[in-house]
Amino acid sequence: KQEVTQIPAALSVPEGENLVLNCSFTDSAIYNLQWFRQDPGKGLTSLLLIQSSQREQTSGRLNASLDKSSGRSTLYIAASQPGDSATYLCAVITRGGSNYKLTFGKGTLLTVNP
Amino acid sequence: SAVISQKPSRDICQRGTSLTIQCQVDSQVTMMFWYRQQPGQSLTLIATANQGSEATYESGFVIDKFPISRPNLTFSTLTVSNMSPEDSSIYLCSVEDWAHYPEQYFGPGTRLTVT
Repeated sequence: KQEVTQIPAALSVPEGENLVLNCSFTDSAIYNLQWFRQDPGKGLTSLLLIQSSQREQTSGRLNASLDKSSGRSTLYIAASQPGDSATYLCAVITRGGSNYKLTFGKGTLLTVNP
Repeated sequence: SAVISQKPSRDICQRGTSLTIQCQVDSQVTMMFWYRQQPGQSLTLIATANQGSEATYESGFVIDKFPISRPNLTFSTLTVSNMSPEDSSIYLCSVEDWAHYPEQYFGPGTRLTVT
């Protein structure tokens, strides 16, 4: 059974700092890995998707890396801003029969202080 | 990317009653998914809804408690039946976008509180 762990559970940083969020998964037979952002009481916003054949993806100040063999992914946020404050969720996508299934971590709650 | 809306956005319900949550997508999709996010927890898949067939439920979820309809390729409903305070959660609808890869997109969620 796939298990996804995110470390740290919470992180508080001053504005402008570069930071790294970590995600690990137990079964390396993944199809893709997706990072999401969730604002309090809201739905999920897709940030980056990394295919299993890729090592990293970038979007603006965000960079996500994937090391499938070691079961790890990191989300790097450059020059953090108060607007980045949210919960960041990592989800691995595996294939079960004809369907794809997402397994989520519990998330990292990020607070960026002005 | 698909644009997904959900109704209601939030509700407070009495125990023992039922609530139906609606999910509308702006494009036709084969599969729609329903997730539950309990307070302080991550998302758990409840069921997968394909148009024209019975929903497929994950372990721990049953049709009597969470009946799902999928009448067409852009719409689905999830009913939370005979509610108890333990059902207080955010319920989220999602779809797969196969334009490039199986990337999932989520609706804004329905925040349910059961008193």
